[in-house]
Amino acid sequence: DTGVSQNPRHKITKRGQNVTFRCDPISEHNRLYWYRQTLGQGPEFLTYFQNEAQLEKSRLLSDRFSAERPKGSFSTLEIQRTEQGDSAMYLCASSLNSRSSSYEQYFGPGTRLTVT
Amino acid sequence: QKEVEQNSGPLSVPEGAIASLNCTYSDRGSQSFFWYRQYSGKSPELIMSIYSNGDKEDGRFTAQLNKASQYVSLLIRDSQPSDSATYLCAVKENTGFQKLVFGTGTRLLVSP
Repeated sequence: DTGVSQNPRHKITKRGQNVTFRCDPISEHNRLYWYRQTLGQGPEFLTYFQNEAQLEKSRLLSDRFSAERPKGSFSTLEIQRTEQGDSAMYLCASSLNSRSSSYEQYFGPGTRLTVT
Repeated sequence: QKEVEQNSGPLSVPEGAIASLNCTYSDRGSQSFFWYRQYSGKSPELIMSIYSNGDKEDGRFTAQLNKASQYVSLLIRDSQPSDSATYLCAVKENTGFQKLVFGTGTRLLVSP
C-alpha cells in the first residue's frame, strides 16, 4: 500500500513566477486535502476535495492560489505570481470516507517551496 | 484565542520515562481528535485517533479524551530517544467542514 506522494519535493522559484505542485493520494481514498505549514506552526488548511469536487476553501487561499482534482485522482495546487510569504511546506493529505476512519488524514512528504 | 492550544515545549524526559503531552481546544462540539508525530524536516505522521471520552491505547501510546474539559492528551510509555519529535494535536471541529485544525505542536526530547 503506497502512501500519499507529492512532487516536486523541493521547489525554489523567484518572486513573481508561477509554480505547480502535484499530489497523488492513497489509491482508494476519495478525499484529498491541501495544507500549508511554516516553521514553528502546525499545518493550516487550504482546501479540500471529495472526488473531483472542491468542497472547502480557506480564506487563506487567495486568488493567486488554485487547486484542481480533475478526475478525482491526483490533484494540483498552483500558485501564481509567487511572493516571499508563500515560502512554506505544502502538504497534501488524503482520507477514506468510511464509518470507521472517515476523518483520519494521512499526509504526503510535502513540497518545500522557497521564494527568493 | 487559539482554537487548539499546546505547550510548545520542549518537554524533556529521560529514556524509559512516561511523556505526557497535552492539548486543549475551544470548539465544545468537536468530535474527532488526532495526534500526529513530526520529525524535523518531515511531514506529520498519524499516530492516534480518538473519538470517545476515556482512554485509547495502542502499543506504548495512550490517548486520553475529556470532552467536558475540552482536553486531550497523549501519553508515551517507556519513552525512547527515537520518540524525540514534535507532536501535533489536531481537532475536527463540529462545523460540518472536513478540515483539521492543528495546534502548534509540542517538542519532545528524550535523553538517553
